[in-house]
Amino acid sequence: DAKTTQPNSMESNEEEPVHLPCNHSTISGTDYIHWYRQLPSQGPEYVIHGLTSNVNNRMASLAIAEDRKSSTLILHRATLRDAAVYYCILRDNTNAGKSTFGDGTTLTVKP
Amino acid sequence: DTEVTQTPKHLVMGMTNKKSLKCEQHMGHRAMYWYKQKAKKPPELMFVYSYEKLSINESVPSRFSPECPNSSLLNLHLHALQPEDSALYLCASSTGTRGYNEQFFGPGTRLTVL
Repeated sequence: DAKTTQPNSMESNEEEPVHLPCNHSTISGTDYIHWYRQLPSQGPEYVIHGLTSNVNNRMASLAIAEDRKSSTLILHRATLRDAAVYYCILRDNTNAGKSTFGDGTTLTVKP
Repeated sequence: DTEVTQTPKHLVMGMTNKKSLKCEQHMGHRAMYWYKQKAKKPPELMFVYSYEKLSINESVPSRFSPECPNSSLLNLHLHALQPEDSALYLCASSTGTRGYNEQFFGPGTRLTVL
């Protein structure tokens, strides 16, 4: 199974942009890249996903490298409510729902 | 209704007990999942059901027995668990099992095995 690698922790100031990196050098052509976040005592929450092109939604943007071996989740203006563990996940389009979670990045947002 | 509910929120059981975890969704999703999450670790996939049939079992010990009685309901039956099975058990659902299908997670059941 393809694996993702993320920094253990990152810090940001409130209202500044945050770039969360993820390496997935063994990604296969059929893997989608998903990002989820998990607040304390809650289940993971979907943030965004993509295959090859960059993606934007109301929560964040996802920038995918041209060779797909890395991606970056961009929070445009961090708020205190964005403090969470962010997981970069590969979801296989051919393997019946299997998702491989990275170890996650703990984001701290300072006021 | 875009919610996955899980009951109970907390469960304490002895190693000889039999208990069940319950998960429910009313979003019309046809795929449902069980994950296990230890403290400060990412969720680990245990089982996937697609159209009420088990499609993935990640070599989970037989003391964990999943059941999908209908498309809205997923159970996890527990028997003769070990203390190392103590963890947060998360249920999730999705429209399908394709790579682009986002998963909706419940809040989890915190299980303690004494």
